Amino acid sequence: QVQLVQSGAEVKKPGASVKVSCKASGYSVTTHYMHWVRQAPGQGLEWMGVINPSAGSTGYAHKFQGRVAMTRDTSTSTVYMELSSLKSEDTAVYYCARAVPVGYLDYWGQGTLVTVSS
Amino acid sequence: DIQMTQSPSTLSASVGDRVTITCRASQSISSWLAWFQQKPGKAPKLLISKASNLESGVPSRFSGSGSGTEFTLTISSLQPDDFGTYYCQQFNSHPYTFGQGTKLEIK
Repeated sequence: QVQLVQSGAEVKKPGASVKVSCKASGYSVTTHYMHWVRQAPGQGLEWMGVINPSAGSTGYAHKFQGRVAMTRDTSTSTVYMELSSLKSEDTAVYYCARAVPVGYLDYWGQGTLVTVSS
Repeated sequence: DIQMTQSPSTLSASVGDRVTITCRASQSISSWLAWFQQKPGKAPKLLISKASNLESGVPSRFSGSGSGTEFTLTISSLQPDDFGTYYCQQFNSHPYTFGQGTKLEIK
């Protein structure tokens, strides 16, 4: 069955970077785009961007451009999201989510809590 | 960017009630809309895709309708397990924006 397993919680200082991983199993990671969505404490869902794991091409929300990088390692079926220049407002749970070909998100990872605090 | 606006923001209803949540898009998105349910501490769960397609395993009391800019999610007979927050998301174009969420409480 399809599973997306994310890396564990992180605590970072302001200005640092964080890299979250998302390991896919139960399907070929190169056949589906992977999206990243975040959720600040008590807040709604915020779309961050998408990667095509086959080509490595990406698309990011304007808000995160210049600060986010989504990459993949097809040999390990893993997708990564790195966010730099962290601020306290980046404290959130970060989710990876698989997209079907027409675009909607059908499977989600369990989420990774990133806490930014001095 | 396409703005998605949900109403109401919160909703309290009793078991057995018919519940409707509305989602409006700032421009036409055809039927490229999904609905998710999220429970505290959990990832969102896909309920409905392409505005009205019920996902496998989702109870038939859930239904979706609409196209263009106006969409609804209906729960025909509310059950205790239906509490949580519901989000719509458009996948017509990047960025794939979400509505702000509707928190559903069971009376």
